[in-house]
Amino acid sequence: DQQVKQNSPSLSVQEGRISILNCDYTNSMFDYFLWYKKYPAEGPTFLISISSIKDKNEDGRFTVFLNKSAKHLSLHIVPSQPGDSAVYFCAARPNTGNQFYFGTGTSLTVIP
Amino acid sequence: GAVVSQHPSRVICKSGTSVKIECRSLDFQATTMFWYRQFPKQSLMLMATSNEGSKATYEQGVEKDKFLINHASLTLSTLTVTSAHPEDSSFYICSASPDSNQPQHFGDGTRLSIL
Repeated sequence: DQQVKQNSPSLSVQEGRISILNCDYTNSMFDYFLWYKKYPAEGPTFLISISSIKDKNEDGRFTVFLNKSAKHLSLHIVPSQPGDSAVYFCAARPNTGNQFYFGTGTSLTVIP
Repeated sequence: GAVVSQHPSRVICKSGTSVKIECRSLDFQATTMFWYRQFPKQSLMLMATSNEGSKATYEQGVEKDKFLINHASLTLSTLTVTSAHPEDSSFYICSASPDSNQPQHFGDGTRLSIL
């Protein structure tokens, strides 16, 4: 049972515009959420996180929004750059234990 | 930042071979490391939690006799795929964190191909 879902397998955005990647989850016990970026042949690298006590966290061009009532989070990248082209995974961790549950990823292509 | 090294990056071997994959935390100690498996176009699926000095905790459906985990030190965990078969071909990746309040850092993964 997929507890973290990324329903868009791919997304294409023009350079300079905003990229919005979405993630939905089903487990109300999740209290810590992260976004990872993955290039081919490399492991995921941490991008940004948010805890359930917040609804927004910003780091430079990257902002993560959390809507707990909708069990939805999103990653906004603005302005998008060609180097942002990668697969983005969202992940969530319950308030008990250290294990993370991952979405299936969204492949972002930023077109120059 | 924290770095996790995974070796080897790619293995191609015959059916019946046992394959060992190493996961090292290079600049921090990790009492817990995680092993994931990823099939094409699917998410990272947690296989097991590796605990330093004690037995690993396996997720439901993961055979512990098939996937042997050893976490002998605070910087090294190994995953051994015993008597590997073609259906074990997959992308295996480990992660670790200096503490539970920090994000997990991933190795670059191991692409295992069993002929």
